[in-house]
Amino acid sequence: DTGVSQDPRHKITKRGQNVTFRCDPISEHNRLYWYRQTLGQGPEFLTYFQNEAQLEKSRLLSDRFSAERPKGSFSTLEIQRTEQGDSAMYLCASSLGLADQETQYFGPGTRLLVL
Amino acid sequence: GESVGLHLPTLSVQEGDNSIINCAYSNSASDYFIWYKQESGKGPQFIIDIRSNMDKRQGQRVTVLLNKTVKHLSLQIAATQPGDSAVYFCALGTNAGKSTFGDGTTLTVKP
Repeated sequence: DTGVSQDPRHKITKRGQNVTFRCDPISEHNRLYWYRQTLGQGPEFLTYFQNEAQLEKSRLLSDRFSAERPKGSFSTLEIQRTEQGDSAMYLCASSLGLADQETQYFGPGTRLLVL
Repeated sequence: GESVGLHLPTLSVQEGDNSIINCAYSNSASDYFIWYKQESGKGPQFIIDIRSNMDKRQGQRVTVLLNKTVKHLSLQIAATQPGDSAVYFCALGTNAGKSTFGDGTTLTVKP
């Protein structure tokens, strides 16, 4: 399977704990995106990377959230001191990042439940 | 900023009929417009997109229409099948990166 993969698929944690999610994009894709999706809503943009550079962050990404893409390949999203309001599906997507080649391909998501 | 809204949160059609899902947007600064399909427990799946300088694009059983004058986008699905049942999102994209999604229309196909 050469699509976008995410790990874990599900995570249950207690409030106050830290969690980290991983995303492996399609191998030749330069851009990697993180979105958050709550039930009944469309995905909300969090941040994106062009290779290893983090180019944009949404104001939804509070200082408890941090994302990295150290070698321009896989990315991690960490949430520190989780709150119940962080419960959501966290989606990763990747794209080639070339003009007229901006189609984003999504992974299956990591569903987070904060108790 | 951008906002994207769908006209109807739910749509129910008979198998074999055509489906039309509509989307309105507020900002004209998008480079392209995208339709995604999302099935339960899965990430959004790309269906079709259209550049802002086009008004129609066709794919396999799907057609996207863009009316920039009234800032309206539609997805037409021909001969709707039970496997088309899902949530459909329109999104506004820019060459600079992020996409802005609407809230989705749930399509139910009745056999």
